[in-house]
Amino acid sequence: ETGVTQTPRHLVMGMTNKKSLKCEQHLGHNAMYWYKQSAKKPLELMFVYNFKEQTENNSVPSRFSPECPNSSHLFLHLHTLQPEDSALYLCASSQTGADSPLHFGNGTRLTVT
Amino acid sequence: AQSVTQPDIHITVSEGASLELRCNYSYGATPYLFWYVQSPGQGLQLLLKYFSGDTLVQGIKGFEAEFKRSQSSFNLRKPSVHWSDAAEYFCAVGAGWNYGGSQGNLIFGKGTKLSVKP
Repeated sequence: ETGVTQTPRHLVMGMTNKKSLKCEQHLGHNAMYWYKQSAKKPLELMFVYNFKEQTENNSVPSRFSPECPNSSHLFLHLHTLQPEDSALYLCASSQTGADSPLHFGNGTRLTVT
Repeated sequence: AQSVTQPDIHITVSEGASLELRCNYSYGATPYLFWYVQSPGQGLQLLLKYFSGDTLVQGIKGFEAEFKRSQSSFNLRKPSVHWSDAAEYFCAVGAGWNYGGSQGNLIFGKGTKLSVKP
């Protein structure tokens, strides 16, 4: 049990589908993150939320849409994805101090067909 | 700007041998430094962290890391590697929200994949 739970663990979707990834943290953290991890590529930060407010969007395509209804929950809504979007999507949470480590979920393995 | 470099993409060691994974950082102040491990298909797990004080920090699973300010390094070590240590290892520096850390708290290196030979 990592304290950060991601569902589903695996997802296969077609390019015309709409799906959502869910993340929930029970650690009382104020910040939540979405990362993308593709094979042979570095970890890519996609979105950051601090106290439910989005503070960073690293030029992520609009086919990825985050939602943070409260400090404990984070969603990533997906629509009209491309095969190159297939990756492991990791959610993390932390407090907002520089000394605060990130706590990661186990990720959602997404395959776009 | 802050950055983290892990110069080795892939390292192979024999089981029972010692291990050292390199990490160099660029940061304008006293850094907060972290090492994470990721097993295949899993999230990242915190191994250890350095904030201040003793420059040699102990972590879980028998790992340790040494902070060397003069070399801007934070190398991860283990005296005797086990087959279960095969994984990918990430070094990170804490950028901090107050420092204008627009990437959130941590900046990660690109990772070093560790393979262990029997």
